[in-house]
Amino acid sequence: DGGITQSPKYLFRKEGQNVTLSCEQNLNHDAMYWYRQDPGQGLRLIYYSQIVNDFQKGDIAEGYSVSREKKESFPLTVTSAQKNPTAFYLCASSIDQGYSYNEQFFGPGTRLTVL
Amino acid sequence: AQKVTQAQTEISVVEKEDVTLDCVYETRDTTYYLFWYKQPPSGELVFLIRRNSFDEQNEISGRYSWNFQKSTSSFNFTITASQVVDSAVYFCALSDRNAGNMLTFGGGTRLMVKP
Repeated sequence: DGGITQSPKYLFRKEGQNVTLSCEQNLNHDAMYWYRQDPGQGLRLIYYSQIVNDFQKGDIAEGYSVSREKKESFPLTVTSAQKNPTAFYLCASSIDQGYSYNEQFFGPGTRLTVL
Repeated sequence: AQKVTQAQTEISVVEKEDVTLDCVYETRDTTYYLFWYKQPPSGELVFLIRRNSFDEQNEISGRYSWNFQKSTSSFNFTITASQVVDSAVYFCALSDRNAGNMLTFGGGTRLMVKP
């Protein structure tokens, strides 16, 4: 089955720790995205990548870092510099970010809680 | 600038009632795409529909229908004969070239269908 997997589903972090959220897709999509969702709010773009070894900051990139070493994988690291990291994190992919009609497909999300 | 407004933050209906979720958008581009996504309690966003700016035909898919009106910059979503399984958060989103083909999401509308 093609799709997007995110792990872990739930993640707890102590203040001051870096944590990495995994996102893998087997849809052969070129573009991948990370979004943050806070309770009762819409999605905000953290980072996106159109191609391997290239990525761009989104609206709220501060305190986060990403890598895109493989087409299938786009891990997100939440660093200690992120002041309020408790949120629901969603990964998505699309065929090609260059065309506005391409819908994005989403993973099941990771809920991060800072203790 | 691109903007999507979903003025209804929460709607509660009784099963079998019809319900309309409003979406108003802003864009300076003449070519753009509008989307609706459903987020059930599990958290994963599910793609429902995509509509381009040149096609104002209303669309019906089973109990779901969409009304796109460029004159009022609206793309409203109606569920006919609602069911408990329709309970979810629904997001409207906009994609255009001015935003680098990124999705701009509205704040979402939480729909609760009571038996």
